[in-house]
Amino acid sequence: DAEITQSPRHKITETGRQVTLACHQTWNHNNMFWYRQDLGHGLRLIHYSYGVHDTNKGEVSDGYSVSRSNTEDLPLTLESAASSQTSVYFCASSESIWVRAFFGQGTRLTVV
Amino acid sequence: DQQVKQNSPSLSVQEGRISILNCDYTNSMFDYFLWYKKYPAEGPTFLISISSIKDKNEDGRFTVFLNKSAKHLSLHIVPSQPGDSAVYFCAASTNAGGTSYGKLTFGQGTILTVHP
Repeated sequence: DAEITQSPRHKITETGRQVTLACHQTWNHNNMFWYRQDLGHGLRLIHYSYGVHDTNKGEVSDGYSVSRSNTEDLPLTLESAASSQTSVYFCASSESIWVRAFFGQGTRLTVV
Repeated sequence: DQQVKQNSPSLSVQEGRISILNCDYTNSMFDYFLWYKKYPAEGPTFLISISSIKDKNEDGRFTVFLNKSAKHLSLHIVPSQPGDSAVYFCAASTNAGGTSYGKLTFGQGTILTVHP
């Protein structure tokens, strides 16, 4: 079965370190998204991609970057981790707007 | 600027009764709406959706109603079951302008608890 997986599931890192969260989907979807979930804010869009070599900023993109070198993967990099980036991160993919997005299981990141 | 709002952080209902979860939006360009359900330590899973050309969509125990003039949608669960206890997020998207294609804007979520 096709799926979307995130790794690691849990990560603790220190302030100032560079961190990369992995997202891999086997749906062959062109659209991929990264969201963060925080209490009181729901899920907020960080970055998204509509295809290979395409990346776009979402509403909370400061301090994050993504790259899309193939269809299956959209890694999320925190350039210099900050305590404000402690959150649960979700990756998602979709075929189109008119079709539901599939979400990964999430990565809980703690920056100390 | 919260474009999608779920003003009730939590809702508690008795098993067998109706659960009604509400969502308001401000962006009149939104033309596709979805509800996602989320259990602890899992990713959100799609529940039901509705496009702006409809005012109702039904799938088993779940019905979504859309009132475009009021910029309001609601999710009805009848009858509610203990397994429905989860966080429910409404989300909206627009196909206008091309650059917003497929992007979802989420509400803050409502915690539903269904008591046996």
